[in-house]
Amino acid sequence: QSALTQPASVSGSPGQSITISCTGTSNDVGSYNLVSWYQQHPGKVPKLIIYEVTKGPSGVSSRFSGSKSGNTASLTISGLQAEDEADYYCCSYAAGRTLIFGGGTKLTVL
Amino acid sequence: EVQLVESGGGLVQPGRSLRLSCAASGFTFDDYAMHWVRQVPGKGLEWVSGINWNSGYIDYADFVKGRFTISRDNAKNFLYLQMNNLRVEDTAFYYCTKDVVGTYDTFDIWGQGTMVTVSS
Repeated sequence: QSALTQPASVSGSPGQSITISCTGTSNDVGSYNLVSWYQQHPGKVPKLIIYEVTKGPSGVSSRFSGSKSGNTASLTISGLQAEDEADYYCCSYAAGRTLIFGGGTKLTVL
Repeated sequence: EVQLVESGGGLVQPGRSLRLSCAASGFTFDDYAMHWVRQVPGKGLEWVSGINWNSGYIDYADFVKGRFTISRDNAKNFLYLQMNNLRVEDTAFYYCTKDVVGTYDTFDIWGQGTMVTVSS
């Protein structure tokens, strides 16, 4: 059960769009449309922002969107804002009825 | 208000046991799968274990299989994690999480976490 692969860090300026990738295998991301994304600010509890690849929970900004192609899922944040600076984690359902997280990506808003 | 409140964490020696509890409120507990997720301070998230609404599906990450046991009491709205033979590497914050209705793959609501420290 290896962790999904995310870039350690990404950055962008206010108003720009950024994309965070999450690469797995045919045993997880590639086989199931069950990828979720979480935002975690320092010292805070993680917050669900995308589930089942593209679905946004009620109350979450529409600036957050998800997609998937093959073994790679992606989170896009449009109209970047200072409050978006946080750590982001992807998670995928995997064969054997397990769940696997990515290593996390630190987003810096310049 | 939907709320999850964990308890039971603390300092324990390697090889000993600890039982975590999670009190759920503000939603129909037995409509949802539940999970435990952990995080070493300053590090990433790890899924530990999941249980579906009626305990028909129970699953574990490989690194806790055979040592940890998840359970739930739908009458009392509680989720549990019995942790046996604890190791130093089990030191982490442990979060109780609620799934989205009808699924077994999403952590919709998180508790504040309880810290488990395994050290001699």
